[in-house]
Amino acid sequence: DVKVTQSSRYLVKRTGEKVFLECVQDMDHENMFWYRQDPGLGLRLIYFSYDVKMKEKGDIPEGYSVSREKKERFSLILESASTNQTSMYLCASTRGTGITYEQYFGPGTRLTVT
Amino acid sequence: AQSVTQPDIHITVSEGASLELRCNYSYGATPYLFWYVQSPGQGLQLLLKYFSGDTLVQGIKGFEAEFKRSQSSFNLRKPSVHWSDAAEYFCAVGAQGTGRRALTFGSGTRLQVQP
Repeated sequence: DVKVTQSSRYLVKRTGEKVFLECVQDMDHENMFWYRQDPGLGLRLIYFSYDVKMKEKGDIPEGYSVSREKKERFSLILESASTNQTSMYLCASTRGTGITYEQYFGPGTRLTVT
Repeated sequence: AQSVTQPDIHITVSEGASLELRCNYSYGATPYLFWYVQSPGQGLQLLLKYFSGDTLVQGIKGFEAEFKRSQSSFNLRKPSVHWSDAAEYFCAVGAQGTGRRALTFGSGTRLQVQP
C-alpha cells in the first residue's frame, strides 16, 4: 500500500513563528502536493513539486514556501505564521507527471495559529 | 480556467436510501473527473474516475458516477447507503493541455446518514 505520512496530526503555533510541515511518501512518486482545506472552500492547492528541487506555485502560495531536497520528502514552510493560516493541511503524492494519476493523501495536519 | 461546483454543502439520507451527490464542472474540452471521499480524521481516498469511454463509471464501495457532457455534470450515486458512508465527498477536475498540472477540487458535500 502507498503510504503518505505527515509529521504531526495537530500543531499549535504562535503568530510570527516559523512553521515546518513535513510530508513523506514511500512509493517513489514523482509529484507531491500541499493543499489547505477550509470549511466551504474545499481543497486549495498551495504548491506542488514534480521533481527534486522543482516546484510550482498553486492557487494560494502567498505566505508559504516549500522545499524538496529528496524525492520522498516535501516540506511546507510558513515563514511567519499568521492567524489566517489556521487550517487543515493535506499532503498528497502521485506516480508520474500527468493529472490522470490517482492522488494519495496523508491524514492531514490541523494547524492552529494563536 | 477550470472550476468545479458542488451545490450541496450538506446532505442527510436514511440508511438504505439512495444517494446522489451533484458535481458540475466548467471547462471547454473533455475533462478528467474524479470523486474522492474523506472519512472523519482521515485523508482523501479515490472513489472513481472518468477519462473517456463509457460515461457510467463504477468505483469502490458500491459507488458509481455518470458523465453528462451536455449538462457539464459528473454526479455520484449509490443505490443503498450504509452508515459507514457518512463522510465528506469531493469532486475534482483536471484538464490536459491547459498547462495546469494539478486537479481543481470542489468545496465538498458532507453526507450524514440517519439510522
